[in-house]
Amino acid sequence: AQSVTQPDIHITVSEGASLELRCNYSYGATPYLFWYVQSPGQGLQLLLKYFSGDTLVQGIKGFEAEFKRSQSSFNLRKPSVHWSDAAEYFCAVGLYNSGNTPLVFGKGTRLSVIA
Amino acid sequence: EAGVTQFPSHSVIEKGQTVTLRCDPISGHDNLYWYRRVMGKEIKFLLHFVKESKQDESGMPNNRFLAERTGGTYSTLKVQPAELEDSGVYFCASSPQGYAEAFFGQGTRLTVV
Repeated sequence: AQSVTQPDIHITVSEGASLELRCNYSYGATPYLFWYVQSPGQGLQLLLKYFSGDTLVQGIKGFEAEFKRSQSSFNLRKPSVHWSDAAEYFCAVGLYNSGNTPLVFGKGTRLSVIA
Repeated sequence: EAGVTQFPSHSVIEKGQTVTLRCDPISGHDNLYWYRRVMGKEIKFLLHFVKESKQDESGMPNNRFLAERTGGTYSTLKVQPAELEDSGVYFCASSPQGYAEAFFGQGTRLTVV
């Protein structure tokens, strides 16, 4: 069965520092890959997605993620974190070429930003 | 265009009571999904509608949960009777047919006391 692992439950970074959130997946086929963010009191917002093609994808709010098939990873990065990035981040996978299947999520990584 | 809307945003009920959560998907989206996040756990799939039909309800935890989608538009998720372990955040998402990306609502936080 497919699974998603986000090994870091909570990360604290200083404002202006770089950020990398890890995501590893276990899937028998080529997956669709997503990063969602949930800010306090808000719903899940899509940051970026990977379906095919260039393995480095750009998202909103200055985020990017790189798909590495050999490592089954899809890590999220941001070069300079802003205080407003404090939120919970979820990595998710969907079945490739079957657009209507449900997503499988990781447990999430909570990001705290300090001054 | 309005996004996915969920009602209520927060519900506190006593064990044994009934609660009904509502989801209004984005207009025209055939696919509607329910997910749930229990505290500290991952967001888990509950069920999937295509229009008014249940496509997959393999994630429904037990028969205390009943989901409906009237006329392929809005959906309701009823929990009857509610138990303490049903507490969590219930998310609804919708997408057009054949579209992998799902658009999520803000969630309903259910607390059973």
